[in-house]
Amino acid sequence: ETGVTQSPTHLIKTRGQQVTLRCSSQSGHNTVSWYQQALGQGPQFIFQYYREEENGRGNFPPRFSGLQFPNYSSELNVNALELDDSALYLCASSLGTGRETQYFGPGTRLLVL
Amino acid sequence: RKEVEQDPGPFNVPEGATVAFNCTYSNSASQSFFWYRQDCRKEPKLLMSVYSSGNEDGRFTAQLNRASQYISLLIRDSKLSDSATYLCVVDANSGNTPLVFGKGTRLSVIA
Repeated sequence: ETGVTQSPTHLIKTRGQQVTLRCSSQSGHNTVSWYQQALGQGPQFIFQYYREEENGRGNFPPRFSGLQFPNYSSELNVNALELDDSALYLCASSLGTGRETQYFGPGTRLLVL
Repeated sequence: RKEVEQDPGPFNVPEGATVAFNCTYSNSASQSFFWYRQDCRKEPKLLMSVYSSGNEDGRFTAQLNRASQYISLLIRDSKLSDSATYLCVVDANSGNTPLVFGKGTRLSVIA
């Protein structure tokens, strides 16, 4: 196993609500990346945190925000949920720039009704 | 041209067959290349990195052709356990997005 954990495993929300997803990175890894994976698609990069600072962001609106803590764990927050936000949210940890091997957690499956 | 494009699937092959997946990428400055494997309803897991000289790991061989901006994965002697989606991953060589994932190619190995 990768040592990357995510919580919760599954979540059901309604449109307009807010959600917080959590990720604990692999020991020694200082970079955490978040991805959204819709059914039948590859993971889409949301953003990346390196030593508590956001240092990369994909094409996602500002209602997707995040945090990284001193122990390198991370949160993904999504406000004003929309139906299209239903997806598997994956967290990956790595050491350095994020361009090297990424180790994924099991993901959080979010359903927005 | 999409950043990373993969063969459309699904590939349905008998056990023991050899199967090849192709992937093209648009950014000629990309430096890192990977194949990940994703089982149904699970997270992606690194299968292998792809090096300029090509590399082999048991039944799996990866090749990189920088001139054509093309990556391949060859699986020999397919096993039932190889059934999964294979994701081609390329570094975007851009400050905003470190890695770009393809949509994946689904492989089903049939007994």
